[in-house]
Amino acid sequence: EPEVTQTPSHQVTQMGQEVILRCVPISNHLYFYWYRQILGQKVEFLVSFYNNEISEKSEIFDDQFSVERPDGSNFTLKIRSTKLEDSAMYFCASSWTRDRAPYEQYFGPGTRLTVT
Amino acid sequence: GENVEQHPSTLSVQEGDSAVIKCTYSDSASNYFPWYKQELGKGPQLIIDIRSNVGEKKDQRIAVTLNKTAKHFSLHITETQPEDSAVYFCAASTDRDDKIIFGKGTRLHILP
Repeated sequence: EPEVTQTPSHQVTQMGQEVILRCVPISNHLYFYWYRQILGQKVEFLVSFYNNEISEKSEIFDDQFSVERPDGSNFTLKIRSTKLEDSAMYFCASSWTRDRAPYEQYFGPGTRLTVT
Repeated sequence: GENVEQHPSTLSVQEGDSAVIKCTYSDSASNYFPWYKQELGKGPQLIIDIRSNVGEKKDQRIAVTLNKTAKHFSLHITETQPEDSAVYFCAASTDRDDKIIFGKGTRLHILP
């Protein structure tokens, strides 16, 4: 069964450093998302991406964040200068259509980001 | 914006008994309600969903109900098994948004 994959599974970085989290969405999907989950809190939407541009973003997704689809398979989230409060589990998700919106989103296993 | 409340936060059920998790939502425009199961070290896995044009949906031991008037929806798991132990999230979404709004999750323990 096709699944969303994410690398690395755990990333430790120092405050102020740049990190790139990587995701490979399900191959025939067209819509891509990033969510995050701070320990003990809700899963929160960060950004959605379609047709090589941001479709929607939350107030969390400020200028420190960016997303990119550098090739036909990868989808990345970059945090330019990490802060302690960026420590969280980051989930990538994908869906294949909006023809029958809303639509099923399938999640990857997550990358645990620890900022020290 | 949408707010999804979920309870209980923790639920312990004897193996073989039923488990019920309840959620409420605030935005009457919400029309899609997925449920996700998250096992330790894994991402949320979509297990069942319901759209606002139906009141109930069933898939083997799992069923979801939706009361649009009261803005309530629930997950029912019957004949619980050890592998049902996980964190369960309810969520809501609308036609106008890309995002899914999650509840805080329910940690379900199936007792032997």
